[in-house]
Amino acid sequence: EAGVTQSPRYAVLQEGQAVSFWCDPISGHDTLYWYQQPRDQGPQLLVYFRDEAVIDNSQLPSDRFSAVRPKGTNSTLKIQSAKQGDTATYLCASSFRGAHERLFFGHGTKLSVL
Amino acid sequence: AQSVTQPDARVTVSEGASLQLRCKYSYSGTPYLFWYVQYPRQGLQLLLKYYSGDPVVQGVNGFEAEFIKSNSSFHLRKASVHWSDSAVYFCAVRDNVGDNSKLIWGLGTSLVVNP
Repeated sequence: EAGVTQSPRYAVLQEGQAVSFWCDPISGHDTLYWYQQPRDQGPQLLVYFRDEAVIDNSQLPSDRFSAVRPKGTNSTLKIQSAKQGDTATYLCASSFRGAHERLFFGHGTKLSVL
Repeated sequence: AQSVTQPDARVTVSEGASLQLRCKYSYSGTPYLFWYVQYPRQGLQLLLKYYSGDPVVQGVNGFEAEFIKSNSSFHLRKASVHWSDSAVYFCAVRDNVGDNSKLIWGLGTSLVVNP
């Protein structure tokens, strides 16, 4: 069974540039999560979906971050104008039938904003 | 506010030694507790979880954790560590918000096992 796939693995940007992260969850998983993990910290939830619907995006900085999951499968997280404070690893996870019962994580995208 | 504290940022042990990684939580209701592990160059993986019942839960690779309600703790243990256990370990508690929930994570403990 294929795991959660994320791309790219790394991204390096100048402040003000845009970037998109892509996530392909485990087949059949209805719930998809995006986390931000700054260096030496635990993951912090940005947004999560059940199928194509956003369930919680209260921690997503809406002025610069956006996330979509149009068909309830793959998802894209976009940062419109990156800031140095966005430097972190962005993790995608998926689960089946139940928020946070057991999450399966991708390898993450490590973002550096210079 | 709900929170998870892992007081040890880094723990170093010798191979074959016993291990305890500490986790304390602050949660007003019945806690659902988790330990995840992040091996180098791999994604986070669930080690074990506690919902109810026997306060000692068994996980993968010989890990176990004990829920002690009176102490608000959920420490992770292993009787004899192997060098391959070197990784970052995260404790988390599920925070139920209305019909939804999210995980509150600790900062993680980096475990180094010396051969």
